Amino acid sequence: QKEVEQDPGPLSVPEGAIVSLNCTYSNSAFQYFMWYRQYSRKGPELLMYTYSSGNKEDGRFTAQVDKSSKYISLFIRDSQPSDSATYLCAMTTGGSYIPTFGRGTSLIVHP
Amino acid sequence: DTAVSQTPKYLVTQMGNDKSIKCEQNLGHDTMYWYKQDSKKFLKIMFSYNNKELIINETVPNRFSPKSPDKAHLNLHINSLELGDSAVYFCASSDDNNQPQHFGDGTRLSIL
Repeated sequence: QKEVEQDPGPLSVPEGAIVSLNCTYSNSAFQYFMWYRQYSRKGPELLMYTYSSGNKEDGRFTAQVDKSSKYISLFIRDSQPSDSATYLCAMTTGGSYIPTFGRGTSLIVHP
Repeated sequence: DTAVSQTPKYLVTQMGNDKSIKCEQNLGHDTMYWYKQDSKKFLKIMFSYNNKELIINETVPNRFSPKSPDKAHLNLHINSLELGDSAVYFCASSDDNNQPQHFGDGTRLSIL
């Protein structure tokens, strides 16, 4: 079992839909959780950064962490074609420089 | 104003050649990284430098040698390129331990 599991998709939704992207993990020491968006032929771009359990909202994006279930989610409201990209989750323990990345979920939002 | 910039964007070369990729960050970060992203999109850490000192060196062939002339630059030199080196190489930087990383747009390396 990999440390961080993420369904590669693709996930195809119509414009305006609510999108739910998820990751599960096995290492209970993870405390910092991130979501990156990667457009084709570009580098990963940080979207959300959270510490420990709970929710964090930023515009149309909400990040949710459930440490008891070792499960994190990213919700995108009112999805747009410009949201079409690969979304990578990443997480670190308290003492590591290096996040562990999921393999990314490809999202396609069609008009 | 680009935060993390890599050159070149594309690199096509023959097996056995030696090549370098350059990376510069203008964020004032102390830590820089090199990642390799394979065709399945996995991001794999290769090296990490903190204030010009090597702090992480994952299991990478010694044909790969990073060099950090100052804390704003981290270059990657690759000797005797092999077919399996074809990938996208990303440079990244972060402020310190546990802070999120900021990535460049990658260098697409193709070995003929």
